[in-house]
Amino acid sequence: GENVEQHPSTLSVQEGDSAVIKCTYSDSASNYFPWYKQELGKRPQLIIDIRSNVGEKKDQRIAVTLNKTAKHFSLHITETQPEDSAVYFCAAPETPGANSKLTFGKGITLSVRP
Amino acid sequence: NAGVTQTPKFRVLKTGQSMTLLCAQDMNHEYMYWYRQDPGMGLRLIHYSVGEGTTAKGEVPDGYNVSRLKKQNFLLGLESAAPSQTSVYFCASSYSYTQYFGPGTRLTVT
Repeated sequence: GENVEQHPSTLSVQEGDSAVIKCTYSDSASNYFPWYKQELGKRPQLIIDIRSNVGEKKDQRIAVTLNKTAKHFSLHITETQPEDSAVYFCAAPETPGANSKLTFGKGITLSVRP
Repeated sequence: NAGVTQTPKFRVLKTGQSMTLLCAQDMNHEYMYWYRQDPGMGLRLIHYSVGEGTTAKGEVPDGYNVSRLKKQNFLLGLESAAPSQTSVYFCASSYSYTQYFGPGTRLTVT
């Protein structure tokens, strides 16, 4: 099965700076890579995802990049704001294919200092 | 369209008691999941279902049972609660890869 890892477990940035969160995966056949955001006391919610046939995807201040050779993908947040403070989870399919259950990383806590 | 809902939101059990957590979704999704979330451990899959009448074990299934009698509902049961089952429980459903989570149930076992 897939193994997904996130390091470090916490990240602190100054408001307005950029934040980059990296995730590694083990199965080279994986074809879908989402990022979920969980605010304190709330449910995880999908914020952006990328498929293996695309190298980068952007949505306003957030972007995801994929490096298939190195088997890692990263979440980029520009012009960070206090509301970006949350736990961010990356994931990958347990087995490639639609409707495959996801394997989640342990999460990274991002703190944005005002 | 309520999405994914969970009942109850909070519960306190004594060791050895039983309870059932209910998850309901109105998106006609085939796949449903139960996760537990503990500090520093991320989201760990307990059981999941690929359709009505089916269930399968996830990463941490011991001490839990599940049933999917109706497509829209996925029940998680604790037959004899233990303090180690103190956690936040999330239900999710999916059509393709994207999972939609419920608001969570905070369970404390004393």
